[in-house]
Amino acid sequence: QQPVQSPQAVILREGEDAVINCSSSKALYSVHWYRQKHGEAPVFLMILLKGGEQKGHEKISASFNEKKQQSSLYLTASQLSYSGTYFCGTELYSGYALNFGKGTSLLVTP
Amino acid sequence: NAGVTQTPKFQVLKTGQSMTLQCAQDMNHNSMYWYRQDPGMGLRLIYYSASEGTTDKGEVPNGYNVSRLNKREFSLRLESAAPSQTSVYFCASSGGQDPYEQYFGPGTRLTVT
Repeated sequence: QQPVQSPQAVILREGEDAVINCSSSKALYSVHWYRQKHGEAPVFLMILLKGGEQKGHEKISASFNEKKQQSSLYLTASQLSYSGTYFCGTELYSGYALNFGKGTSLLVTP
Repeated sequence: NAGVTQTPKFQVLKTGQSMTLQCAQDMNHNSMYWYRQDPGMGLRLIYYSASEGTTDKGEVPNGYNVSRLNKREFSLRLESAAPSQTSVYFCASSGGQDPYEQYFGPGTRLTVT
């Protein structure tokens, strides 16, 4: 049930864009995105719900394709502070526990 | 508000020893979770508690037990530690004004020798 994330790692220069993908083999109620900096706890970025509702940080955008059970996180005009590991977490139905992917490591260089 | 706190931050155990990881939250959240994080494996759910008095197994519950002591506290116990349980353990909670967001504690780094 663990969602599959791609790519596993990406290196960007400051100002470049990146897309991180998350896919599931099961129908989903929601997809959550978290970022974890080295040595720290994961921090919530946003949630995408079945039906199109989204909640999260203004500077982060994402999409959720319900037909394909895929979500993509869009990081535009990347900043050094965007570096970290990004995890998607999938929820099969409301109130169910999250299953997290293995993460995508993002490094933004000057 | 302290958010989610975990104790201890670091622990070294010998194989076969037991210990309890403590977690507390001061956000009046209903749901609490225990995850383990291993390199390249992401976050894997050990146990969760949807409300006070209830607990459910997650993806990797073997070798662990939990107690939801009250609404604030959710502890994780290793009865007989094994080297395979060497990991970073995170506690999280959710269920406040924004029910979707999980708030994570700082983690406990456990080494079993």
